[in-house]
Amino acid sequence: DADVTQTPRNRITKTGKRIMLECSQTKGHDRMYWYRQDPGLGLRLIYYSFDVKDINKGEISDGYSVSRQAQAKFSLSLESAIPNQTALYFCATSVRTSGQETQYFGPGTRLLVL
Amino acid sequence: GQNIDQPTEMTATEGAIVQINCTYQTSGFNGLFWYQQHAGEAPTFLSYNVLDGLEEKGRFSSFLSRSKGYSYLLLKELQMKDSASYLCAVRAGNYGQNFVFGPGTRLSVLP
Repeated sequence: DADVTQTPRNRITKTGKRIMLECSQTKGHDRMYWYRQDPGLGLRLIYYSFDVKDINKGEISDGYSVSRQAQAKFSLSLESAIPNQTALYFCATSVRTSGQETQYFGPGTRLLVL
Repeated sequence: GQNIDQPTEMTATEGAIVQINCTYQTSGFNGLFWYQQHAGEAPTFLSYNVLDGLEEKGRFSSFLSRSKGYSYLLLKELQMKDSASYLCAVRAGNYGQNFVFGPGTRLSVLP
């Protein structure tokens, strides 16, 4: 399975602060994603990247930015955090082989914005 | 728009069979995924369907009907550890560039 890691695992910050969430993977997957999960709303896609030079907005990109520094690294930034960005954030990678696609999730980052 | 519907909660008995339904309306379709997620943990991949029909993996099976915008996840021989949320997701968009998740179905397995 893909080894997808996220740092930090938990973060408390204040309104207006800039923070960065890091994601790394060791399996060489080209496709990477950032999601947030809120109770009752399911997972929502923030940004995705199909390659190092490819960055695309997802459903809820406002207030977020990303950087794909290398194939293995995909970072999510909150330029000026606000309380409604309090959520559980997941990074994921995916790979297609023989017509099958599999998506692997990192362990998640719990973010609290005060 | 994109919309995926699942029942919010289901309850079943250990050893039984349960079917979790998912209906979707998306712009474009490039595959449907099922994930299991235990509380506070990351989702884990269960199955992928891109063609109509049934895919079986041990105790878990997933069915897809693209013409009806419908899928189900079938769990057999339920175990207590199967208590979790089950997420249905569709790869949508003209180029399959977007993942859309349903709200998840919380399954409780009772002894």
